[in-house]
Amino acid sequence: AQKITQTQPGMFVQEKEAVTLDCTYDTSDQSYGLFWYKQPSSGEMIFLIYQGSYDEQNATEGRYSLNFQKARKSANLVISASQLGDSAMYFCAMRDGSGGSNYKLTFGKGTLLTVNP
Amino acid sequence: DTGVSQNPRHKITKRGQNVTFRCDPISEHNRLYWYRQTLGQGPEFLTYFQNEAQLEKSRLLSDRFSAERPKGSFSTLEIQRTEQGDSAMYLCASKRLAGKQNTGELFFGEGSRLTVL
Repeated sequence: AQKITQTQPGMFVQEKEAVTLDCTYDTSDQSYGLFWYKQPSSGEMIFLIYQGSYDEQNATEGRYSLNFQKARKSANLVISASQLGDSAMYFCAMRDGSGGSNYKLTFGKGTLLTVNP
Repeated sequence: DTGVSQNPRHKITKRGQNVTFRCDPISEHNRLYWYRQTLGQGPEFLTYFQNEAQLEKSRLLSDRFSAERPKGSFSTLEIQRTEQGDSAMYLCASKRLAGKQNTGELFFGEGSRLTVL
């Protein structure tokens, strides 16, 4: 069974500073995918970044980067130059590894990020 | 904007009543997913469709829950004889099966929040 662990219920960061949100995962699959989603108070889950288990380089998307350490089974999200609009819940998720054919995701419990002015 | 649309956004009902939620996915997306998110938790997979076929149901989906996607476009999720434990956000997501980079990214709607009194 797959499991995602996010140990930080809440994080605070000053505007314009960088912040790291932790995520560890557990799976017996060799092929899997890791995602980060943002959920503002409106409720919609917004895709941020993806890392495949065979990707050799860490994924980056604008101000978002994923620090992927396969041996440690961690996939931390780094947000650079935080903005007030980054305040939201952040979820780490894993794509089902059974060939990935159904693409259902297993989510962690999330981290509430608050950006202070 | 032709993103994933969910209706109603909020529903308050009394225990024992039936409720139905509707999801309109992005038009060319042939995969449609339902997730449930309770307070303080990440979304949990309920079921998914490929076109009109329901391919998998979670153990969370008791016999009081039924989901349909009759024409392979919109989907409905019905809960019969609601219980207080059904109070949650019900999220719909969709994706296109084929694509240049099939990362498994799901596009989510804003959810339907159910409160059972």
